[in-house]
Amino acid sequence: DAGITQSPRYKITETGRQVTLMCHQTWSHSYMFWYRQDLGHGLRLIYYSAAADITDKGEVPDGYVVSRSKTENFPLTLESATRSQTSVYFCASNPRLGTDTQYFGPGTRLTVL
Amino acid sequence: AQSVAQPEDQVNVAEGNPLTVKCTYSVSGNPYLFWYVQYPNRGLQFLLKYITGDNLVKGSYGFEAEFNKSQTSFHLKKPSALVSDSALYFCAVWVGNEKLTFGTGTRLTIIP
Repeated sequence: DAGITQSPRYKITETGRQVTLMCHQTWSHSYMFWYRQDLGHGLRLIYYSAAADITDKGEVPDGYVVSRSKTENFPLTLESATRSQTSVYFCASNPRLGTDTQYFGPGTRLTVL
Repeated sequence: AQSVAQPEDQVNVAEGNPLTVKCTYSVSGNPYLFWYVQYPNRGLQFLLKYITGDNLVKGSYGFEAEFNKSQTSFHLKKPSALVSDSALYFCAVWVGNEKLTFGTGTRLTIIP
């Protein structure tokens, strides 16, 4: 099906482990984003990408790594998970910035014990 | 720097009554403004946007929003609330720096 998907939908891990969250979109949108959603903070941008092999930091990038070798995929890796990274993570995409709507994936709920 | 404020964490409205969810912004330049809605265990969905032109913007599910430049506001409104409108609503602003800035969200509860 066309759209934007995230996997896994739920993940429990332990402090210090590496975790990768996957994001895949079928529209060939140029721009992709990773946000985290926390109570009282709304959505905060972690990283974004303007095209394959072009990524940049957002508001809260520390502890996260991204890559974008293909236009349709934008994985987010927590290199050494911490409890403060317990959150709901959303991937989003849009074809152009500014006036274009962002399309969001269903989210990944990550718990770090 | 651009910012968005949603002054109410929670709004309760009786079914059938009009509803308003407030949003104010602070930017340098002309803003592009958006409203998104999030239902439980779902990603955000686009409701409406203001780019230019008519200050009253109509969107999905009977929602509308009014852009007020002098008050730097973009309040979301609906004439008659439905129970199914209960959700988390986010206002967002973009001003040409590649990043959409979101407010902290307002939880809207429609009481039957």
